[in-house]
Amino acid sequence: EVQLEESGGGWVQPGRSLRLFCAGSGFTFDEYAMHWVRQAPGRGLEWVSGIDGNSGVIGYADSVKGRFTISRDNAKDSLYLQMNSLRVEDMALYYCAKGPHLGFDGSHHMDVWGRGTTVTVSS
Amino acid sequence: SNELTQPPSVSVSPGQTAIITCSGDKLGDRYAAWYQQKPGQSPVLVIFRDTKRPSGIPERFSGSNSGNTATLTISGTQAMDEADYYCQAWDSRTVVFGGGTKLTVL
Repeated sequence: EVQLEESGGGWVQPGRSLRLFCAGSGFTFDEYAMHWVRQAPGRGLEWVSGIDGNSGVIGYADSVKGRFTISRDNAKDSLYLQMNSLRVEDMALYYCAKGPHLGFDGSHHMDVWGRGTTVTVSS
Repeated sequence: SNELTQPPSVSVSPGQTAIITCSGDKLGDRYAAWYQQKPGQSPVLVIFRDTKRPSGIPERFSGSNSGNTATLTISGTQAMDEADYYCQAWDSRTVVFGGGTKLTVL
């Protein structure tokens, strides 16, 4: 069974950093692009960042560009999100999601989602 | 603009057809996907590449995409279909979601 499990969320003060983790299982991790998607309480889905299977193509939402860094370690079947200079508006449930194939391109969608990890930003 | 616009809410009676739209500039030139999210649960993909259903998604879910509008159609809507629905498309190395539509089955 294909599964994604996020971890690393927690409470952090504005301006501080946090690193999120996503462990994939049940599929050949390096053959698929991966994404981070967040959802603030009571709000809709917001794409945060995506990375292709080879880490050669990476994209970020304008709202996090320059502050967040996505990366992956295919040897460990793991996806990461380094979040720096956190803001109150970054507070959300962060989902890890799997793409349909290796590349990060126009046919993209997310076919498997984790349960999410909660990030709280507050002083 | 890469924004996707959905109606905030749609209501339908059980057994009737629900139609949820998603509008964006030249959206028909891109692939659209749709996700269902029930309260307290993670999103579930219900339509991808405009019209395709993942395995396990009932046939009553269908999609289309042309011009500036993608459409999710739920035929014979059931109470279990009550949920939030999000459209999604890709645009220049970014992924865009619509604001979401709350489907109420009255």
